[in-house]
Amino acid sequence: ETGVTQSPTHLIKTRGQQVTLRCSSQSGHNTVSWYQQALGQGPQFIFQYYREEENGRGNFPPRFSGLQFPNYSSELNVNALELDDSALYLCASSLTEWETQYFGPGTRLLVL
Amino acid sequence: DQQVKQNSPSLSVQEGRISILNCDYTNSMFDYFLWYKKYPAEGPTFLISISSIKDKNEDGRFTVFLNKSAKHLSLHIVPSQPGDSAVYFCAARSYRGGSEKLVFGKGMKLTVNP
Repeated sequence: ETGVTQSPTHLIKTRGQQVTLRCSSQSGHNTVSWYQQALGQGPQFIFQYYREEENGRGNFPPRFSGLQFPNYSSELNVNALELDDSALYLCASSLTEWETQYFGPGTRLLVL
Repeated sequence: DQQVKQNSPSLSVQEGRISILNCDYTNSMFDYFLWYKKYPAEGPTFLISISSIKDKNEDGRFTVFLNKSAKHLSLHIVPSQPGDSAVYFCAARSYRGGSEKLVFGKGMKLTVNP
């Protein structure tokens, strides 16, 4: 039991819509990272937040954005959804950016 | 361009035997490596890690070996148990920063038969 939770577990959206995914980190973990895992691929780094500030970003367009809150919760927002955004979205929390990351169960997003 | 490669998509072994999972990387800036295990409908679970200053790290049945000159690491599970059946991801990290925090391979599905 890692203590990292995500909601919702599954979501279906249509192309062009916007979506917000939520993550609750382990208590005391100041760092949250978000990953996209497409079918048959490994998780791909989207961005990381440390103490509510973005602390690194992968190769994802600006329509992927995030927020981190003082209560160890965070959000991933995706605007103008595309079919290729269909994937499992994972959040991971850690004490600091260099500590071991603990993953939540993920949110499976399907874009039709 | 994949910086972390797990070239074998699957492996099947008998219970009690050794499982060897391989991983290759191309980026010489990586200096910390991790293995994660993933069951269906769950997130990846941290298994074991190794720093580039070491060539071996052991934790119970799990041992990770690192060959820096070959840019290759492997995970050994001895003895393998049916509960080890899962998808295993190799991941790498660079302490020198950059936008890639953890870079994952595509994963390998391990099946341990009773």
